[in-house]
Amino acid sequence: GQQLNQSPQSMFIQEGEDVSMNCTSSSIFNTWLWYKQDPGEGPVLLIALYKAGELTSNGRLTAQFGITRKDSFLNISASIPSDVGIYFCAGQLQGTNRDDKIIFGKGTRLHILP
Amino acid sequence: KAGVTQTPRYLIKTRGQQVTLSCSPISGHRSVSWYQQTPGQGLQFLFEYFSETQRNKGNFPGRFSGRQFSNSRSEMNVSTLELGDSALYLCASSLEGQTYGYTFGSGTRLTVV
Repeated sequence: GQQLNQSPQSMFIQEGEDVSMNCTSSSIFNTWLWYKQDPGEGPVLLIALYKAGELTSNGRLTAQFGITRKDSFLNISASIPSDVGIYFCAGQLQGTNRDDKIIFGKGTRLHILP
Repeated sequence: KAGVTQTPRYLIKTRGQQVTLSCSPISGHRSVSWYQQTPGQGLQFLFEYFSETQRNKGNFPGRFSGRQFSNSRSEMNVSTLELGDSALYLCASSLEGQTYGYTFGSGTRLTVV
């Protein structure tokens, strides 16, 4: 079945540093999504990517849909304490079958050192 | 616009019991999906309902079941609870076709003792 490999599993960084995480798959996806989950809450959609090569920003966050459609990355610039949480990538196939489910990576847990 | 509402937020059950969790999607969303989240396995897809029909199912035993009502509200049921069923159960709703991704609820934290 389809699987997403998300890395790194966890990161410890200093406040103000930039962060980079990525997802790869052996399958081709037509949509890539990035979510963030705060403790005790459900994941919240950060960025959605719909075209190969697409680069999209949301404030300090930038995500790209890989040209091969098998990977995506998320960058966070100038990290701040509220960036702490778990970041999930997700991919979805959207062919003629509209009921393709979304596949999630296992998450990258971001820790910010004081 | 109200978000996705899951009830209850927390639940403690003993092994062998059964449990029912509820999810009210965003108004107008007809697709409801359920996920199990555990520290080791991440988000594992349980099933998706669309217009009262199960449209997709993950690899979980038959003890896990669900349904969707005509108002798009959904319930999931776990029978004969096991210790390993302890997890955060997340519900997500989306517009038809999931093109816009999901909106998640805050989840129900189930602890089986």
